[in-house]
Amino acid sequence: DAGVIQSPRHEVTEMGQEVTLRCKPISGHNSLFWYRQTMMRGLELLIYFNNNVPIDDSGMPEDRFSAKMPNASFSTLKIQPSEPRDSAVYFCASSSQTGGETQYFGPGTRLLVL
Amino acid sequence: AQSVSQHNHHVILSEAASLELGCNYSYGGTVNLFWYVQYPGQHLQLLLKYFSGDPLVKGIKGFEAEFIKSKFSFNLRKPSVQWSDTAEYFCAVTNTGGFKTIFGAGTRLFVKA
Repeated sequence: DAGVIQSPRHEVTEMGQEVTLRCKPISGHNSLFWYRQTMMRGLELLIYFNNNVPIDDSGMPEDRFSAKMPNASFSTLKIQPSEPRDSAVYFCASSSQTGGETQYFGPGTRLLVL
Repeated sequence: AQSVSQHNHHVILSEAASLELGCNYSYGGTVNLFWYVQYPGQHLQLLLKYFSGDPLVKGIKGFEAEFIKSKFSFNLRKPSVQWSDTAEYFCAVTNTGGFKTIFGAGTRLFVKA
């Protein structure tokens, strides 16, 4: 199994630009989570999906952030427009349908907004 | 409110010292408990988990954790740490059958060779 796949692994962009982060969950998993990790705030849950449906997006910091899961094998997290304070490592994780299960994390996307 | 509290933000130990990292949670109902580890520059990966049964669970690399329901605690232990255990450790809680996992703030462990 390839595990959770994220792309790009690194992204450097200028303030105001649109950023799109991509995630492919483990095949057969139907829960998907987006996290943000910074030194100041630690690991924060942004949004999670179950069966491609957003269940809880209360962690999304503001309207500049949006996430989609058009099918079971793909999700995107978009920031538009990006700001320097969005600089962080963004992790995607997936877990199986039974709930309460182990989450498997991707390698993360390290985002730097200048 | 649901929460996970890790008592130490930073721990520094010498090799062969014993380790105990504290974790307390506030969560209604039956819970599943996890410890994840994040080695420098890497993603989080599962160290061990408790769903039910024996409250003393053993994980990879000699780690173990004990679930004490009366204290709402799930402390992580290792009798003798190695330099390669240098990492950040996260305690996490999910309500059984639920999907949302609450992570603690993490404890950074540095082991001196």
